[in-house]
Amino acid sequence: GEDVEQSLFLSVREGDSSVINCTYTDSSSTYLYWYKQEPGAGLQLLTYIFSNMDMKQDQRLTVLLNKKDKHLSLRIADTQTGDSAIYFCAETLSGFQKLVFGTGTRLLVSP
Amino acid sequence: NAGVTQTPKFQVLKTGQSMTLQCAQDMNHNSMYWYRQDPGMGLRLIYYSASEGTTDKGEVPNGYNVSRLNKREFSLRLESAAPSQTSVYFCASSSSGMFGTQYFGPGTRLTVL
Repeated sequence: GEDVEQSLFLSVREGDSSVINCTYTDSSSTYLYWYKQEPGAGLQLLTYIFSNMDMKQDQRLTVLLNKKDKHLSLRIADTQTGDSAIYFCAETLSGFQKLVFGTGTRLLVSP
Repeated sequence: NAGVTQTPKFQVLKTGQSMTLQCAQDMNHNSMYWYRQDPGMGLRLIYYSASEGTTDKGEVPNGYNVSRLNKREFSLRLESAAPSQTSVYFCASSSSGMFGTQYFGPGTRLTVL
């Protein structure tokens, strides 16, 4: 199947770290992506990781990839209220020029 | 650069009416996509166009048609709208070979009564 699964909701306090998890299905996915959607807007690419990598760091963002368990996570350090949004993970399917998105995790950051 | 633009932003239709959602990009991208977003279901691909002159069905194509008018423009048509097509519609584009890196428009919120 093509299901990419995420938990629906995460709530953290400002300054804490947030960890958003995702499980994907296609073991041959070449790239895995994290997109962010702010209220009333389209999706915006945050970061991506190539499948031969275990970890990628980009400022406050850390992506971890466990290929054995088909598990992807996004860690946001020092979470700010401006990070409140919906976060989608996505995978590319081998042989297809398209993305499959997860259901999205709504992150709420409280002061 | 405007990026990806969509019109209209909001639309209310009655069951059975038809309409076309417009999308244009100014990034010289070859690939364009139409998605719908429904609560708790993420984004689902309706149709995509890998290059000018080609279109392919995505996950949920029934009830929709598309036209890749030229490299810049990709329209989505609802011939006979149904309440199940109430959704937020997003257009996106990407360059060849980087189809995972997609740029999204602001969306069209469609309600079918």
